[in-house]
Amino acid sequence: DIVMTQTPLSSPATLGQPASISCRSSQSLVHRDGNTYLSWFHQRPGQPPRLLIYKVSNRFSGVPDRFSGSGAGTDFTLKISSVEAEDVGVYYCMQATQFPYTFGQGTRVDIK
Amino acid sequence: QVQLLQSGAEVKKPGASVIVSCTAYDYMFTNYGISWVRQAPGQGLEWMGWISVHDGNTNTAQKFRGRATMTTDTTTNTAYMELRSLTSDDTAVYYCARDHKYIYGWFDPWGQGTLVTVSS
Repeated sequence: DIVMTQTPLSSPATLGQPASISCRSSQSLVHRDGNTYLSWFHQRPGQPPRLLIYKVSNRFSGVPDRFSGSGAGTDFTLKISSVEAEDVGVYYCMQATQFPYTFGQGTRVDIK
Repeated sequence: QVQLLQSGAEVKKPGASVIVSCTAYDYMFTNYGISWVRQAPGQGLEWMGWISVHDGNTNTAQKFRGRATMTTDTTTNTAYMELRSLTSDDTAVYYCARDHKYIYGWFDPWGQGTLVTVSS
C-alpha cells in the first residue's frame, strides 16, 4: 500500500497569513494514464470531509481561490494564501492512483 | 441538489453484522461510483472500498476483504455496505462518497455519515 505522510500534524495559523501543508507519498503517484491522482479534503468537526483539490492542483467547484495545490511525483503541498476563520479543521491528502486509496494522517489547523 | 443520504446510527454487539445504506439524489446514479470511508472516534479517514454502480465492479481494501460487501440497487439509487463479524475496533462513522468515474479521488458529495457502535 502507498503510505501518505503529512507534515505538520498540527498548524496554528494566523488570520490573514499564509499556511502550508505538505504531503509525501511512499511511491510515485503518477498513474499509468499519465495523471497524478492526489486529492485534498477539509473536514470541520462533526461534518463529513469536503473535496478541495483533485489531481494535485485542480480546485473543486466553489472552493475559494485562496486554496491551491501543487507538487509532482511524491511531494505535494496545499497552500492557503490568507487564512480565514472558516478554514479551521483537519486537512487530509489522499492518493487515488493505486488501490487501496490511502489518506494522510491529517493536519489540524487552528487559529493562534 | 446532488446529495447522498445515509441510514441512521446503529448499535451492534460483537460478532454481529451491520448494513449501511446510502441513497443518491439528483444525479445519474449509474454514471459514478461510490467509495466507502470510515473514521474511528478522534481518528483519521480510512478508505474501505469502491463500487462501480454501472457494472458492479468492486475493489475492497485488503483489511476488509471477506468481511465487507458493497452493493448497489439501481432501481432505488441506493448503495449498501455490509460489514460482518463486528468488533469494538469497527466502532466508527461510516461515510459514502460519490466517486467520479474517470477522475480518481474526486469524492463529492459525501453522505452525512452513519455512526456504528459495537458494544457488548
